[in-house]
Amino acid sequence: AQKITQTQPGMFVQEKEAVTLDCTYDTSDPSYGLFWYKQPSSGEMIFLIYQGSYDQQNATEGRYSLNFQKARKSANLVISASQLGDSAMYFCAMREGLENAGNMLTFGGGTRLMVKP
Amino acid sequence: EAGVAQSPRYKIIEKRQSVAFWCNPISGHATLYWYQQILGQGPKLLIQFQNNGVVDDSQLPKDRFSAERLKGVDSTLKIQPAKLEDSAVYLCASSGLAGGPRDTQYFGPGTRLTVL
Repeated sequence: AQKITQTQPGMFVQEKEAVTLDCTYDTSDPSYGLFWYKQPSSGEMIFLIYQGSYDQQNATEGRYSLNFQKARKSANLVISASQLGDSAMYFCAMREGLENAGNMLTFGGGTRLMVKP
Repeated sequence: EAGVAQSPRYKIIEKRQSVAFWCNPISGHATLYWYQQILGQGPKLLIQFQNNGVVDDSQLPKDRFSAERLKGVDSTLKIQPAKLEDSAVYLCASSGLAGGPRDTQYFGPGTRLTVL
């Protein structure tokens, strides 16, 4: 079964508008971390934002915020005031477990975001 | 602070040839990861090192792939012999913690491998 599901293969958004990229996850571990990465056409994976399973508040980093709904097991990324440079692939990822060096980062299939001028 | 460095950026080889990729992690980062990203998919972990020891290589095709991290800093990933299905981007990442949910991984630019 998929541990990370991103149901939107592609999304369009008008410049300066907000957009939400969906991510749902599956885990039975009470301790986990959720990450969002941006991958532009250059190929580098750029870390955007992190949400811990025990965090009481939704994470925010500049124009990025995470809509974390633990009961629904969703961690949607919200990008406010979209810019042309936001056009890229976006990956949701999860890391399970406490201080265990063997736990891997599992990625979803990604969403391609295209910002229209 | 310098990021994760990888070389080469691009490599084209014929099937059955061998190839090697190099990674230099962020200074001070003890944990190093190699991922394979096939076109249109998310990255898949191949191997994870903690200092110079292997923590997880369960998804590494050990009949043809090998990796080492001598002295706990730089790492090399080798494929011998390469197959057509090995065409992918190979991403190296490093992190400063010893695992756990808050362990953020920082990625290099990747090596795009094409096997003909």
